[in-house]
Amino acid sequence: DQQVKQNSPSLSVQEGRISILNCDYTNSMFDYFLWYKKYPAEGPTFLISISSIKDKNEDGRFTVFLNKSAKHLSLHIVPSQPGDSAVYFCAASPWSEKLVFGKGTKLTVNP
Amino acid sequence: GAGVSQSPSNKVTEKGKDVELRCDPISGHTALYWYRQSLGQGLEFLIYFQGNSAPDKSGLPSDRFSAERTGGSVSTLTIQRTQQEDSAVYLCASSPNGGASSTDTQYFGPGTRLTVL
Repeated sequence: DQQVKQNSPSLSVQEGRISILNCDYTNSMFDYFLWYKKYPAEGPTFLISISSIKDKNEDGRFTVFLNKSAKHLSLHIVPSQPGDSAVYFCAASPWSEKLVFGKGTKLTVNP
Repeated sequence: GAGVSQSPSNKVTEKGKDVELRCDPISGHTALYWYRQSLGQGLEFLIYFQGNSAPDKSGLPSDRFSAERTGGSVSTLTIQRTQQEDSAVYLCASSPNGGASSTDTQYFGPGTRLTVL
């Protein structure tokens, strides 16, 4: 049973617009949430994280929002750039070190 | 400094053969993780090493899978009697302290693509 779900396998946006990637989770024990970005033939790279005591974390063009009551988080990228085109993985952890990943969303930013 | 490295980058093997995948974590990182990504799937946790503690093997899919971490550094993931369903990208990650916190990000290697014919 999938504990972390990314229901959109792909997303296409225009350069300069906002990209919103969504993630839902089922395990209420998850306390820490992360977004990783993956280019083809490379390992995932850490992008941004949020702990359960916060509802928003911002880093430059990237903002992660956490809605604990809805068990939902989202990643906002604004403005989107062609170099942001990659697969984005949502991950969660119950402070037990190992991460549980979603299946990923492939983002394409068109020039 | 150098990131996580993995070798080989690609491995093609015949069903029934054994394979060994290697991971060199970032120097000084005490925690090391193995994940795999099958086609169309997310990353699946396999095993976790933290310092001298007994590894967390809860993600290993069968007893054909095993892993070692020698000297607290390099790790080898071994798959015995490979099956076609073992075909996946095997990813290794390391982190400084092994705790899920903002200061303990997992850094991933480029992965080994395993194809079992």
